[in-house]
Amino acid sequence: GAGVSQSPSNKVTEKGKDVELRCDPISGHTALYWYRQSLGQGLEFLIYFQGNSAPDKSGLPSDRFSAERTGGSVSTLTIQRTQQEDSAVYLCASSLGGWGYEQYFGPGTRLTVT
Amino acid sequence: DAKTTQPNSMESNEEEPVHLPCNHSTISGTDYIHWYRQLPSQGPEYVIHGLTSNVNNRMASLAIAEDRKSSTLILHRATLRDAAVYYCIAGGNNRKLIWGLGTSLAVNP
Repeated sequence: GAGVSQSPSNKVTEKGKDVELRCDPISGHTALYWYRQSLGQGLEFLIYFQGNSAPDKSGLPSDRFSAERTGGSVSTLTIQRTQQEDSAVYLCASSLGGWGYEQYFGPGTRLTVT
Repeated sequence: DAKTTQPNSMESNEEEPVHLPCNHSTISGTDYIHWYRQLPSQGPEYVIHGLTSNVNNRMASLAIAEDRKSSTLILHRATLRDAAVYYCIAGGNNRKLIWGLGTSLAVNP
């Protein structure tokens, strides 16, 4: 079956511009996660959606970052006024339930801010 | 959130077993131990997870110490495709997973 998909696969943007990254989770998965990974580093948690509950936004690094999940499915991560330190691979994952469940990851979006 | 400690890198020969250690001395009683791996230029993929008992699946085995302060991921016969970064994470059960730097495994032909 279809896995988690993300678009675009690569995004180059100028400092100060806004970007939107999209994640299509596996159908039927109630939980969706956003992470980012800088070069040579582990994954940094950003935000977590679970069903109809309020999202856990505790990992968002600043108020320039926001995310929404429409209809319990597709999610968009928005970064406003991008900075060079935002350059990283942004990974999305989904799972059948919450944190204790196996997470299925997408291929990621590589964001480069010039 | 429970912190895990893993060696930065390990090396193995093809078709030999590999034992990847992980220390999680601050693990809580309800935290699961999860293992994921990340091949170059790909998103992580799930390997195995467990709570107290040793676990086996088609990819690997997970041996958990009796006091749960450490665990070992066992790849029974390493292949070149197993070269990846392996992450050991303690959490779940409504506690978020905190990812460290993992162990970079090199497999020699």
